[in-house]
Amino acid sequence: KNEVEQSPQNLTAQEGEFITINCSYSVGISALHWLQQHPGGGIVSLFMLSSGKKKHGRLIATINIQEKHSSLHITASHPRDSAVYICAVRSGGSARQLTFGSGTQLTVLP
Amino acid sequence: DGGITQSPKYLFRKEGQNVTLSCEQNLNHDAMYWYRQDPGQGLRLIYYSQIVNDFQKGDIAEGYSVSREKKESFPLTVTSAQKNPTAFYLCASSIDPARRYGYTFGSGTRLTVV
Repeated sequence: KNEVEQSPQNLTAQEGEFITINCSYSVGISALHWLQQHPGGGIVSLFMLSSGKKKHGRLIATINIQEKHSSLHITASHPRDSAVYICAVRSGGSARQLTFGSGTQLTVLP
Repeated sequence: DGGITQSPKYLFRKEGQNVTLSCEQNLNHDAMYWYRQDPGQGLRLIYYSQIVNDFQKGDIAEGYSVSREKKESFPLTVTSAQKNPTAFYLCASSIDPARRYGYTFGSGTRLTVV
């Protein structure tokens, strides 16, 4: 069983819709990352959080440590948001202890 | 602008050959990492380096080798011992071993064995 589970695996939305991507993990963590991977393959770091909520533009990330769950929200979605969104959790201080989810493919239609 | 440069973007290799993937960063980051990505799977750590002239095996180091002779450079060699090398390879860096800050990723190299 993967330590990091993302849902849904694939998501198609119409432009303007509010989008939620979920990440559940089974280990104690010190931080959680949300990453965005574009069709060309390059990855951009969106958020790193260990508690509460962070917001950047139309993106909002929340985490509930007790429930071992995080969500990434996109408000007023746009076709340029189409990408793979990856959740990764850090369970210790070593680089070996960063575990990645398999990603959520988001497609936003005009 | 600072960032990570990976080259080449696409690489084709014949079976039995070694190939080297380049990763260069101008961010003055101490830590660098190599990940492998396969369809439907999360990124898996191949090797990482926290400081020049030092590197550690990750979860799937067999069939790979690295060097860290300069802070800016962390090349990955895929050797003929790697049984299934066709994959997407990502290089990343962080200011410290990611204890407090996030990662910067490169744009990746797609390796195909022909």
